[in-house]
Amino acid sequence: QVQLQESGPGLVKSSETLSLNCNVSGGSISSSNNYWGWVRQPPGKGLEWLGSIFPSGNTYYNSSLESRITISVDTSKSQFSLKLTSVTAADTALYYCARGTGYYAYWGQGTLVTVSS
Amino acid sequence: DIQMTQSPSSLSASVGDRVTITCRASQGINNHLAWYQQRPGKVPELLIYAASILQSGVPSRFSGSGSGTDFALSISGLQPEDVATYYCQTYHRAPRLSFGPGTKVDLK
Repeated sequence: QVQLQESGPGLVKSSETLSLNCNVSGGSISSSNNYWGWVRQPPGKGLEWLGSIFPSGNTYYNSSLESRITISVDTSKSQFSLKLTSVTAADTALYYCARGTGYYAYWGQGTLVTVSS
Repeated sequence: DIQMTQSPSSLSASVGDRVTITCRASQGINNHLAWYQQRPGKVPELLIYAASILQSGVPSRFSGSGSGTDFALSISGLQPEDVATYYCQTYHRAPRLSFGPGTKVDLK
C-alpha cells in the first residue's frame, strides 16, 4: 500500500519561499506509470491542483502559479518536493501530496502552511 | 485550461434520500472524470474514476454517470457518514488536472 507523507515548516513569512517534501513509501517512486503531484486547500475552500512531476523529472504546473512554483523529484530518496516563492497570505493552505494515474488514488495526510506577515 | 463547474454548491437531504450532484466541463473530456469525497477534517478520498467505475471499497450506493461535458454523482440512500464535500476532477489533460468547486452535502 503506497503511503505519502508531507513534511516542512508550518509557518512561512510573507515574501519568502515555501518548501515542502513528500516522502513515498510502500511503492516505487520511479514507476513510469505514475506521476506525483501537489494539491492545496485554503481554509474553508476547495481543492486546487498545483502541479505534477513524472519520475523522469518532467513537470507540469498550474498556469496561475507557473512563475512561482517548482516541483522536483529525488528518486534516490523516494521523495518529491514543492517550492513556492514570494508567498503571500493567499498561499496559506493545507498542502497535500498525491500519486496520480490520471486521478489521485493515494493522498498524504496534508500539512498546514500558514503565511505570516 | 479545462474549467469544471458543479451544482448545487450545497444541499441538505434526509437519511435515505437519493442525492444527485452534477458536474460540467468547459469542453469535452470523454469519460476522464473522477469524483472525490472529503469528510469534514479528512483527506479527500477517491470514489469514482472513468466517470462511472467505483473505486475498490466504495459502497454501491454511490454511482457515477456521464460522458463528454456533463456528469453526475448519485447517492442512492443517503447515510450519515456521507456528510461531506464532493469534488469532481478531470484528468483529460493529465498530468494537468482540474477540480470542480465542490458540493457540500449535509443532513436535514
